[in-house]
Amino acid sequence: SQTIHQWPATLVQPVGSPLSLECTVEGTSNPNLYWYRQAAGRGLQLLFYSVGIGQISSEVPQNLSASRPQDRQFILSSKKLLLSDSGFYLCACRPLAGFSYEQYFGPGTRLTVT
Amino acid sequence: QKEVEQDPGPLSVPEGAIVSLNCTYSNSAFQYFMWYRQYSRKGPELLMYTYSSGNKEDGRFTAQVDKSSKYISLFIRDSQPSDSATYLCAMSARVGGNNRLAFGKGNQVVVIP
Repeated sequence: SQTIHQWPATLVQPVGSPLSLECTVEGTSNPNLYWYRQAAGRGLQLLFYSVGIGQISSEVPQNLSASRPQDRQFILSSKKLLLSDSGFYLCACRPLAGFSYEQYFGPGTRLTVT
Repeated sequence: QKEVEQDPGPLSVPEGAIVSLNCTYSNSAFQYFMWYRQYSRKGPELLMYTYSSGNKEDGRFTAQVDKSSKYISLFIRDSQPSDSATYLCAMSARVGGNNRLAFGKGNQVVVIP
């Protein structure tokens, strides 16, 4: 079964600073990968998804970007953080095998922008 | 109108009670209906999924789908303190070759011993 690692677990960053969150996946190959943000009372918002190395689709225009340099590595970045970027960031994967609509989530990174 | 509506109000119930959660949706293209459970400070995990209208049981959990009313429900019988978590409904539609999930806001459930 697949395992998703995310780091760091928590992060406090000042406004205007850069951001890099990393997600790695074990136990599956060529998965679809997703970045979500979960804000209090607002549910899960899909930010980016990727179907393969170097293939990134953006769902919401914003100051965030994503990259997939390796098959099982997904990175979320920002050059300058905004207060509104605070939230719980979740990486998810959908393996090619199994129920095609299930997404497995990582433990998340809690980001506070001050 | 949002695609998926889930009243995010918290719910506190005594141990052993039945928990009832529901979501409504507007997109007729949704094909699969899921419930995810999320413990505090953890990522969500899939609890149940259904495809057709009707009921599906898994132990103490029952998922119900009414496609004609665009309404889904999750029932938890004999609730336990370990059921205390946030429950999110999710629905899927195929968009441009990718299976996209739309999530509700989630309901925080607290089961009091």
